[in-house]
Amino acid sequence: KAGVTQTPRYLIKTRGQQVTLSCSPISGHRSVSWYQQTPGQGLQFLFEYFSETQRNKGNFPGRFSGRQFSNSRSEMNVSTLELGDSALYLCASSLVSGNIRTEAFFGQGTRLTVV
Amino acid sequence: SQQGEEDPQALSIQEGENATMNCSYKTSINNLQWYRQNSGRGLVHLILIRSNEREKHSGRLRVTLDTSKKSSSLLITASRAADTASYFCATDAHMFSGGYNKLIFGAGTRLAVHP
Repeated sequence: KAGVTQTPRYLIKTRGQQVTLSCSPISGHRSVSWYQQTPGQGLQFLFEYFSETQRNKGNFPGRFSGRQFSNSRSEMNVSTLELGDSALYLCASSLVSGNIRTEAFFGQGTRLTVV
Repeated sequence: SQQGEEDPQALSIQEGENATMNCSYKTSINNLQWYRQNSGRGLVHLILIRSNEREKHSGRLRVTLDTSKKSSSLLITASRAADTASYFCATDAHMFSGGYNKLIFGAGTRLAVHP
């Protein structure tokens, strides 16, 4: 089956602009999580969506938001971009039963550069 | 803060040697997972070990889990140059604040295997 698809792969934006990233999970996966990875850093958890509802949120400012559609596709939006938002944004989908998840499948990421 | 902490941050070995990476975490977990990332691309799942398991094998990979010490180790035997990558542990972690679990990653270990 098709893997996790993230679009676009690369983006260059100017400070102050806003950006929307898209993630299509593996068919049948209702959980979609977003992570930010900056050079030399681990993955910082942004948020998780499950069946169109935000289940968890990381410690990011309100400029970072997301949503999930009925087909489980998810988008994340960053408004008023700052230079520090330059990063690789990764989306992961997984099967979740109750409060237990299996392995996560990652997309190739969207590399965002803010200039 | 990060749930998991990997040790060492970087590891450099020769082909044929074994590589051991350690991970510590803070909260109770359902399972612990190890991932691999090549050069800023998406992460690939390697192995999942449940909280009631102590050891698991997959090919040249061996993972141990000690829930009393809240730690895990990943052993790669007979390493190859192609194993050069960053390795991350991730916990399906119960949050102190309650609510749903999150999949939380450590900062990773950068492994370099020299021919």
